[in-house]
Amino acid sequence: AQSVTQLGSHVSVSEGALVLLRCNYSSSVPPYLFWYVQYPNQGLQLLLKYTTGATLVKGINGFEAEFKKSETSFHLTKPSAHMSDAAEYFCAVSDFREKLTFGTGTRLTIIP
Amino acid sequence: DSGVTQTPKHLITATGQRVTLRCSPRSGDLSVYWYQQSLDQGLQFLIHYYNGEERAKGNILERFSAQQFPDLHSELNLSSLELGDSALYFCASSVGSSGGALETQYFGPGTRLLVL
Repeated sequence: AQSVTQLGSHVSVSEGALVLLRCNYSSSVPPYLFWYVQYPNQGLQLLLKYTTGATLVKGINGFEAEFKKSETSFHLTKPSAHMSDAAEYFCAVSDFREKLTFGTGTRLTIIP
Repeated sequence: DSGVTQTPKHLITATGQRVTLRCSPRSGDLSVYWYQQSLDQGLQFLIHYYNGEERAKGNILERFSAQQFPDLHSELNLSSLELGDSALYFCASSVGSSGGALETQYFGPGTRLLVL
């Protein structure tokens, strides 16, 4: 069985500061990893995904994540936060056969 | 706009009742997935259909059922509703049948269900 743990249900950062959202996974097979964003009153939108190859993955809106097998982590970062980044972020894991398994989400607040 | 549409946006009903949620996938997508998002359970996968056939089941209650029609739209039927069924129900679609990993799932805006 696969699972995802997102550390911190709420994260606040100042505008212009580094955004770091943490995700650790558990998987018995090489995982596929995803970050989704949910803006208020909207569905989920894919930010980025890791399947194979380069471990540093770049996504939309300036976000990137690094797959670290030794740490079973897939943390999401953005160098400089913008007010429009305020949203809820979900990390998810899958193998190529199975459904997406989501974490509990991290609500990101940007302080002006 | 993801191209996935869901109706209705909001639904208020009473315990014991039955409701139907509708989803139209993006043009060209053959897969439809249903998810439930609630405060206590988080975002949970319910069921996956590909081109009219059920492909995978998740944490879907026996009181819930779904189907995908020849025109590829899907309906999620929730019956004998309980207070705990109050949640946001999302539909997502993708082109093929591989489920979670190899394809991007595009999510609709959701249907918010309130059971009183």
